Amino acid sequence: DTEVTQTPKHLVMGMTNKKSLKCEQHMGHRAMYWYKQKAKKPPELMFVYSYEKLSINESVPSRFSPECPNSSLLNLHLHALQPEDSALYLCASSLPLLAGGPLYNEQFFGPGTRLTVL
Amino acid sequence: KNQVEQSPQSLIILEGKNCTLQCNYTVSPFSNLRWYKQDTGRGPVSLTIMTFSENTKSNGRYTATLDADTKQSSLHITASQLSDSASYICVVSARNTGTASKLTFGTGTRLQVTL
Repeated sequence: DTEVTQTPKHLVMGMTNKKSLKCEQHMGHRAMYWYKQKAKKPPELMFVYSYEKLSINESVPSRFSPECPNSSLLNLHLHALQPEDSALYLCASSLPLLAGGPLYNEQFFGPGTRLTVL
Repeated sequence: KNQVEQSPQSLIILEGKNCTLQCNYTVSPFSNLRWYKQDTGRGPVSLTIMTFSENTKSNGRYTATLDADTKQSSLHITASQLSDSASYICVVSARNTGTASKLTFGTGTRLQVTL
């Protein structure tokens, strides 16, 4: 299995709703990433998990709450979002960078979840 | 501040023609440069990855070049097809001491291939 899957594909939610985005990979990758992408803009990094521990949080508002329950799953819990949070949310995974290992780790992206906040 | 700039912003070419996309970066210390293809509403798909020691890499009709001295890269597409219509994003990774890479994305070039 060489792909990253994301569910749901589309999500419409109100500002008072609580919802979750899910990401799954079975490539043995121990680094997983959440990105936010607005239309015609490049992806913006939100969070990075390395070995199931949060290693990077790019000053993301607390209404976004990531969770990595195991090495194959990555969730993004959403609560009290704003209309400007509407975007394509991308998940990615990669092998970890290790001393003595390859110089780079290719990130594999999922198809994304298109989120609309009303 | 790490930055990646791409040109042109958009490009329209006829099917069968060649084109070249440009990328300039100021990411330090440099680790590797990637070109991704992204269809509208989909996740990016990797085309090539090059480290500082590589100056060209091909993937089918896609050929990427890297000049680490001038910090420039190009992506050449040969014999374009309608399915090449997409955004092409140049992404640069800096060397870091962590186990997860942090990427700097360019704003992309939107390519449209027409009949």
